Amino acid sequence: DAGVTQSPTHLIKTRGQQVTLRCSPKSGHDTVSWYQQALGQGPQFIFQYYEEEERQRGNFPDRFSGHQFPNYSSELNVNALLLGDSALYLCASSPRRQGGFETQYFGPGTRLLVL
Amino acid sequence: QKEVEQDPGPLSVPEGAIVSLNCTYSNSAFQYFMWYRQYSRKGPELLMYTYSSGNKEDGRFTAQVDKSSKYISLFIRDSQPSDSATYLCAARYSSASKIIFGSGTRLSIRP
Repeated sequence: DAGVTQSPTHLIKTRGQQVTLRCSPKSGHDTVSWYQQALGQGPQFIFQYYEEEERQRGNFPDRFSGHQFPNYSSELNVNALLLGDSALYLCASSPRRQGGFETQYFGPGTRLLVL
Repeated sequence: QKEVEQDPGPLSVPEGAIVSLNCTYSNSAFQYFMWYRQYSRKGPELLMYTYSSGNKEDGRFTAQVDKSSKYISLFIRDSQPSDSATYLCAARYSSASKIIFGSGTRLSIRP
């Protein structure tokens, strides 16, 4: 059973460009969350998608947007890249449950460098 | 002030030692408290979670939460070189809400 997969693994962009990162959730999972992890910091929540809609959002500007497809995979888009957007972008998937603790399973991340 | 604060370390201990990792948090609305382990070039992996106050044990790992002092701890007994990683404490308002992480403590176990 494949876990959470992300592509690409590494990416180099220049300031002002746009980037799209992709995530395939673990089999049987329907909820996808995205996190940004700067070097030496813990992950910061960007947003979460369920049933193709953004359900929760962290404190990130509108330059960060996302999408979820009918097969539950997801994309993270970042426009007008800034140097400060350089980070490891993590995708996490979970099965939506009514009550009970939802364990999020993390992918290996996409490392983005903005020059 | 960050909602979850964690000493970044690094922390280096000899193999077999007991390791104590600690965090504090500021928001009393947090109900779930977690510890994640992150190896280099990997995503975080959930070690264990605790609901509200109390202790939880899983093998060599014990998690403690003291809501009165807003203190979260992880103890690792009989530490092994394979335990060398970054440990992240985290908290949640509810069972499915966003996860708020500390900055992580880098741990190294010397053989």
